[in-house]
Order: sequence, then C-alpha cells, then structure tokens
Amino acid sequence: GAGVSQSPSNKVTEKGKDVELRCDPISGHTALYWYRQSLGQGLEFLIYFQGNSAPDKSGLPSDRFSAERTGGSVSTLTIQRTQQEDSAVYLCASSTQTARGETQYFGPGTRLLVL
Amino acid sequence: AQSVAQPEDQVNVAEGNPLTVKCTYSVSGNPYLFWYVQYPNRGLQFLLKYITGDNLVKGSYGFEAEFNKSQTSFHLKKPSALVSDSALYFCAAPNAGNMLTFGGGTRLMVKP
Repeated sequence: GAGVSQSPSNKVTEKGKDVELRCDPISGHTALYWYRQSLGQGLEFLIYFQGNSAPDKSGLPSDRFSAERTGGSVSTLTIQRTQQEDSAVYLCASSTQTARGETQYFGPGTRLLVL
Repeated sequence: AQSVAQPEDQVNVAEGNPLTVKCTYSVSGNPYLFWYVQYPNRGLQFLLKYITGDNLVKGSYGFEAEFNKSQTSFHLKKPSALVSDSALYFCAAPNAGNMLTFGGGTRLMVKP
C-alpha cells in the first residue's frame, strides 16, 4: 500500500519568508510525527498528533514553528519568518497509535534550504 | 528519559564480511529499541525492533540485532555485507507518546 508522502521534496526560500510543508500519512494511522534532521543537531523530534487529541508540541524549537492536522489525516508544518538555521530535512512519520513500541513509518522528507 | 548512543561515526567493511553497527542505550523501564536505515536522499526505513522476548531480533534485508541487558547494548549485525548495505544507520528509543530519540547515526561503507 501507499506509504507516507511529503511535499514538496525540496524547498528553497529566502530568509524571512514563511514556508509550509505537507505530510500525508499512511491511511488508517492515527499517530503522526514530525522530526527534523540537520547536520548539527542530528535527528530531533518536533511535534506529534494522536487522533483528535491536542498535539504534543514539546519539541518545537521556537514559536515560529507550528503544525496542524486537518481531519485526522494530512498535516502541515509551518515555519514563519524562516532563518538560515531552519535549513534541514523535515521528516514526517506515522504509526497506528502512540503506544511505546509502535513502529513509525517515515516519508521521504522535505529538504528545506533557507538562503 | 531515554537515550541511545552510537559510538562509531563510520564503519568500513569489505563485501562478504560480517558487519556490526553498535548502539548502547540508557532507558528507564522496559527498553524498546529500534534500528532504521537511511539511503541517500531518502527517508528512514524500519529494519527491526526489540520489545520483549528473544534477545536476538531478526529484521529486514538479512539484518539482526542482539539485545544485551547487562551491557545495555543493541548492536545491529549482518553475517555477510553487501555493497548495497552502504547507508546511514540509526538506533532509536521511544519516549512516552512514542516519540523517538535517535542516536547520532553510523555511516556504513561496504567496499567491493
């Protein structure tokens, strides 16, 4: 079946602009996660959604970052007033639930470059 | 809090030889541990996980991992490496809510 999809695959933007990154999880997966992969920080958790519950935003690095999930499916990660340090690969993952040990399946990522 | 460490930035091995990619962990409660692989310009692909039960876990593409509680390790192994195994490997452990904490990654280079 279809895996996790993300768009765009690459995004180049100018410092100060806003960007939106999209994630389409595996059908039927109620849990959705965003991670960031950067050279300096490695792989780090940003935010997760479970069903209709309030998201866990504990990993968001600043208030310029926000995310929403509409209809329990597609999610959008928004970065406002982008900075050069936001340049990274943004990965989305989904799983059937958020119980510890559930396998997360990752999308191909969006490579963001802020000039 | 859960944490994992991968002590080697890079592992070099000749094709056909056995490979080991190391991971050590520090977790509270029952340890759940994962291995993922990342090929160039791709997302992470799930290889295997340890939840409970047998200490030797078998996964995709002929990989296996051995959970060792006394050494707090979860090393990834394969009896015979392929050039196509060359990639970036990540060990991970889930926190509450199942968000993953990753090791720094180990680049595996398999040479013909």
